Amino acid sequence: GAVVSQHPSWVICKSGTSVKIECRSLDFQATTMFWYRQFPKQSLMLMATSNEGSKATYEQGVEKDKFLINHASLTLSTLTVTSAHPEDSSFYICSAREGGYNEQFFGPGTRLTVL
Amino acid sequence: AQTVTQSQPEMSVQEAETVTLSCTYDTSESDYYLFWYKQPPSRQMILVIRQEAYKQQNATENRFSVNFQKAAKSFSLKISDSQLGDAAMYFCAYRIYSGNTPLVFGKGTRLSVIA
Repeated sequence: GAVVSQHPSWVICKSGTSVKIECRSLDFQATTMFWYRQFPKQSLMLMATSNEGSKATYEQGVEKDKFLINHASLTLSTLTVTSAHPEDSSFYICSAREGGYNEQFFGPGTRLTVL
Repeated sequence: AQTVTQSQPEMSVQEAETVTLSCTYDTSESDYYLFWYKQPPSRQMILVIRQEAYKQQNATENRFSVNFQKAAKSFSLKISDSQLGDAAMYFCAYRIYSGNTPLVFGKGTRLSVIA
């Protein structure tokens, strides 16, 4: 299957700083990317959907000014957690799809810890 | 709104035995996909099996098969000849057939395999 990478795989930051997570589709063009958040022992919670070149669509309850999503190219999407706080600590997973009918591939996730 | 329900938070199975994980969903759509994903301790999401709603034949992938009952909106996963490596979280997921729609996940079932 196709490969989606995420960088970094884990990050620790101080409260109040911003953190950027990159998601790349390595061997296909990701027309749509999805960002999920997963708390321990829970399911994946969709944060936002982004289409290349368009503004992301955020799920209800997700602060778009706090979680900035950019999908500037067909192979790269970024999630920036601005002014991070300890409650933002979580596991963030990106997922990518080429076209509307194709399989959705997942990145390995990024563990964010905010001190 | 579409919802996916997994009523078994935890299941266990003896090695080499068979186990069935349950999933029900609610939708008013007629064309959609159903999926089972596996999330091992590494937390990488792995596609186990996919079913298109228009197909009457149940999908099968080696030791994994599904029982898709469209009228009952049920989509169970059967794992035969269970192996230690099958131990993981299993998520049932749904998405509309077309468009840039995201996956909707159930809460997951944690499967333990007993040697």
